[in-house]
Amino acid sequence: GIQVEQSPPDLILQEGANSTLRCNFSDSVNNLQWFHQNPWGQLINLFYIPSGTKQNGRLSATTVATERYSLLYISSSQTTDSGVYFCAVEGGNKLVFGAGTILRVKS
Amino acid sequence: EPEVTQTPSHQVTQMGQEVILRCVPISNHLYFYWYRQILGQKVEFLVSFYNNEISEKSEIFDDQFSVERPDGSNFTLKIRSTKLEDSAMYFCASSVRRGGLSTDTQYFGPGTRLTVL
Repeated sequence: GIQVEQSPPDLILQEGANSTLRCNFSDSVNNLQWFHQNPWGQLINLFYIPSGTKQNGRLSATTVATERYSLLYISSSQTTDSGVYFCAVEGGNKLVFGAGTILRVKS
Repeated sequence: EPEVTQTPSHQVTQMGQEVILRCVPISNHLYFYWYRQILGQKVEFLVSFYNNEISEKSEIFDDQFSVERPDGSNFTLKIRSTKLEDSAMYFCASSVRRGGLSTDTQYFGPGTRLTVL
């Protein structure tokens, strides 16, 4: 089945810093989503981005489908950005999740 | 904005008991899913459901699990005889999926945290 790898596994930032999270996947996909899991365990949709670039406030994402990777950019990070960021790609009738990047933003 | 809702938010049960987790997908969505996340691990697919039948299931989704859409709004996951290793967060999701090869965003509910003692 499709494999999804995320890097880095852990990231510690000072408030105000920028960061880039990466997601590599092993096969062509029709759907790629980025999620933020907050401290209460909820999965918050950030982007649906099978290809191209999207921006939403301080967050933006780029997927290069032909090279099988996606990047999530966080600018001017805030403590509320802390949590786990998951990339998930569609394989068949399901999303296959990566292991996530744990982000800690320090004030 | 429409949301996927799940009840209960927390469920504690004894090993061997049956549990039913409930979900109300977004009203115009056609595809429904269950995923689970064991504490500290990645989110894993359990089952997808379309047109009142299972369209795909994982190896985790064995005979102890079943899903049902008992009416026009609810989507349930039943675990017949819970085991300690069933302790996890269970997420319901739904999507429109406009057919053919096209795909659409899966929207996730807030989850039910199941603890099996």
